[in-house]
Amino acid sequence: QQQVKQSPQSLIVQKGGIPIINCAYENTAFDYFPWYQQFPGKGPALLIAIRPDVSEKKEGRFTISFNKSAKQFSLHIMDSQPGDSATYFCAAISRSNYKLTFGKGTLLTVNP
Amino acid sequence: DGGITQSPKYLFRKEGQNVTLSCEQNLNHDAMYWYRQDPGQGLRLIYYSQIVNDFQKGDIAEGYSVSREKKESFPLTVTSAQKNPTAFYLCASSIIEAGLETQYFGPGTRLLVL
Repeated sequence: QQQVKQSPQSLIVQKGGIPIINCAYENTAFDYFPWYQQFPGKGPALLIAIRPDVSEKKEGRFTISFNKSAKQFSLHIMDSQPGDSATYFCAAISRSNYKLTFGKGTLLTVNP
Repeated sequence: DGGITQSPKYLFRKEGQNVTLSCEQNLNHDAMYWYRQDPGQGLRLIYYSQIVNDFQKGDIAEGYSVSREKKESFPLTVTSAQKNPTAFYLCASSIIEAGLETQYFGPGTRLLVL
């Protein structure tokens, strides 16, 4: 059972575009939602995270939007650059068991 | 990659052979994790340990074993019982701050079967 559904699987945008990656979850016990960025052959790195009592969080060009009633959250990358080309994973965790559940990832390509 | 090191970067396994992947962290984190990553599958949890001398099975523990004798170290053994071991293996550690857990990942080990 996939508890965090991520879409799209892959995404291609032009430099300066705003790619949007969406995630949906089922388990209402989740209370922390991090996003990870992974470059080929490297481990994932924490990018940005949000708690469900906040509807939006910005860090630089990266923004998370959170809709608690719909159990959905999304990542927006403003003014995307070729260096943003990577795989992005959303995740969710519950304080009751501290186990991260990952989405299946989105391969983002930003063309020059 | 922070203070988490994984070795080797590449590992080759022969049929019927057990191999051990190393994971060390100098972040003083209590919890450590092993994940397996396959193309299109995301990250799947193999084992995790929240304190020394204790560990729990994750979602895909069959064919793997771990130990946690020291806080800094959490080695993973891929046994001959794991019939499809070819994958990218990621170790992570975490700390709980203000009631929130953040996991940090190592650079990974790619395991290939000869």
